[in-house]
Amino acid sequence: QKEVEQDPGPLSVPEGAIVSLNCTYSNSAFQYFMWYRQYSRKGPELLMYTYSSGNKEDGRFTAQVDKSSKYISLFIRDSQPSDSATYLCAMEDTGRRALTFGSGTRLQVQP
Amino acid sequence: GAGVSQSPRYKVAKRGQDVALRCDPISGHVSLFWYQQALGQGPEFLTYFQNEAQLDKSGLPSDRFFAERPEGSVSTLKIQRTQQEDSAVYLCASSPHPEAFFGQGTRLTVV
Repeated sequence: QKEVEQDPGPLSVPEGAIVSLNCTYSNSAFQYFMWYRQYSRKGPELLMYTYSSGNKEDGRFTAQVDKSSKYISLFIRDSQPSDSATYLCAMEDTGRRALTFGSGTRLQVQP
Repeated sequence: GAGVSQSPRYKVAKRGQDVALRCDPISGHVSLFWYQQALGQGPEFLTYFQNEAQLDKSGLPSDRFFAERPEGSVSTLKIQRTQQEDSAVYLCASSPHPEAFFGQGTRLTVV
């Protein structure tokens, strides 16, 4: 079983919908939780990160971390066709700097 | 440029050939990471440098993989005697903790 599980999708939604992307994890030592967006044939681009539990909002994006359930979410409001990409969750534990990634969820926003 | 630069963007190698992949991090970033991303998967950690010191190489899959960063800036990932299973995108990231900024990657195809 992988340390970080992420539904691969694809997830297809109409423009303007609210999108919910999720990851679960097993390592209790994870303290930093990141969301990356990756367009085809490009490197991952950091959207936002959260330290420990709680919520963080940045424009149309909201990240939530529930450490008691080992569950993190990314919500995208008013989704746009330009949001169509693969979304990767990533986590870092306090003992090492390496990120552990989920396998990514492919999102398609239909105009 | 302002971002992480990787070269070459694409590399085709015959099985058994040695390859060298280059990463130019963002100026001033002390931390540098290498990741391997197989098709349809999230990136997997290979190795981490802080300045010129290689602090973690636990993700290198075999002794055919070698990375260096002799002056604490540019890094090279070398793969000796390439095998078909080495075909992947190799991503470099540089980082002011906890953020990591990725390059566009080198797509290696071993034939």
